[in-house]
Amino acid sequence: EVQLVESGGGLVQPGGSLRLSCAASGFTFSSFWMHWVRQAPGGGLVWVSRINTDGSLTGYADSVKGRFTISRDNAKNTLYLQMNSLRAEDTAVYYCTRDISPTSGSYSNYWGQGTLVTVSS
Amino acid sequence: QSALTQPRSVSGSPGQSVTISCTGTSSDVGAYNYVSWYQQHPGKAPKLMIFDVSKRPSGVPDRFSGSKSGNTVSLTISGLQAEDEADYYCCSYAGSHRFVFGTGTKVTVL
Repeated sequence: EVQLVESGGGLVQPGGSLRLSCAASGFTFSSFWMHWVRQAPGGGLVWVSRINTDGSLTGYADSVKGRFTISRDNAKNTLYLQMNSLRAEDTAVYYCTRDISPTSGSYSNYWGQGTLVTVSS
Repeated sequence: QSALTQPRSVSGSPGQSVTISCTGTSSDVGAYNYVSWYQQHPGKAPKLMIFDVSKRPSGVPDRFSGSKSGNTVSLTISGLQAEDEADYYCCSYAGSHRFVFGTGTKVTVL
């Protein structure tokens, strides 16, 4: 069974940093592209970032580019999102997602339960 | 990188069909067929319903169908059922390794 378990969320002050982790199991982690998607309280879905299977290709939403860094450790079956210079508008539930197939890099077929990041003083 | 435009809400009676539109630009929806639709029930994680504009993942009922015309994609739910009441989001590749979601549509089953 595919499982994605996010951790690392919490309360952080504006300008602070946080690193989210996503522990993957139930599939060959190194074969799939992975994404981060966020959702502000009461808001819609916002795509954040994507990474390919070996970590050599990444993409970011304009709103987080230069502040967030996606990475992965295939030996540990773990996806990361390093978030720096956090702003109030980054407050959201952050979901880790897995793509639909090893040949795809464009869809989120499996989702974690999400981890809440709150940026506030 | 503006969000794709969706109607705020649509509604229909059980058994009817509803269609949700999602309008982008020639830089995202109009340029690529990497378009998907997600269903989200309150308090739950989203679920992939349609990918590649019109394909259904395993387990998704064939009541759900997708199409595209120019810069607009659409999701049609035929034979509306009570459990279809949820929020729906479109998503498109926007080039340069970026994606953009739609604003979301609440589907109400009357």
